Amino acid sequence: AQSVTQLDSHVSVSEGTPVLLRCNYSSSYSPSLFWYVQHPNKGLQLLLKYTSAATLVKGINGFEAEFKKSETSFHLTKPSAHMSDAAEYFCVVSIPSGTYKYIFGTGTRLKVLA
Amino acid sequence: GAGVSQSPSNKVTEKGKDVELRCDPISGHTALYWYRQSLGQGLEFLIYFQGNSAPDKSGLPSDRFSAERTGGSVSTLTIQRTQQEDSAVYLCASSYTSSGELFFGEGSRLTVL
Repeated sequence: AQSVTQLDSHVSVSEGTPVLLRCNYSSSYSPSLFWYVQHPNKGLQLLLKYTSAATLVKGINGFEAEFKKSETSFHLTKPSAHMSDAAEYFCVVSIPSGTYKYIFGTGTRLKVLA
Repeated sequence: GAGVSQSPSNKVTEKGKDVELRCDPISGHTALYWYRQSLGQGLEFLIYFQGNSAPDKSGLPSDRFSAERTGGSVSTLTIQRTQQEDSAVYLCASSYTSSGELFFGEGSRLTVL
């Protein structure tokens, strides 16, 4: 069965310090992986995606993620947090089997402290 | 339009009433999804439309929920005889292909009193 696990429901960091949001997936196929961000009362916006090209993926707003097949992980990082990064982040896996479905993690709420 | 448009943005209704939520996807996007996001929860898949194929309704929580997509474009999610547990944000997303990036609307917040 396919699944995605976000290991932390809440993460707090100080402004200017690194961000690490963890995501592990389980898939029998070669997945496409995404990170989305959701600011309060807004829809989800794509940060970055992995689709079997380079394993280190760079996204918007300074975020990047590394696909590690051996660890079945796709952790999201940013070298220096900004106050505007405070939001909910979702790790998503897309499985190419029959009906395409996107499996969403339960989300990680990032808090940035001044 | 430039993005996925959903209406209404907010809907307050009384228990037992029917509601319709509308999604206007990005022009040319063949795939359309509905999700439900309850307070503090992740996204729950409801239904998926791909072109002219029969929709995947496997996520609809009960027979009170239905959705249609007319002309491969606009979609309407209908909830009949609403219950308080239906209160949530209903998100629509579209994609150019069935495996590409999802583009989300800002959602319709439903409150059932």
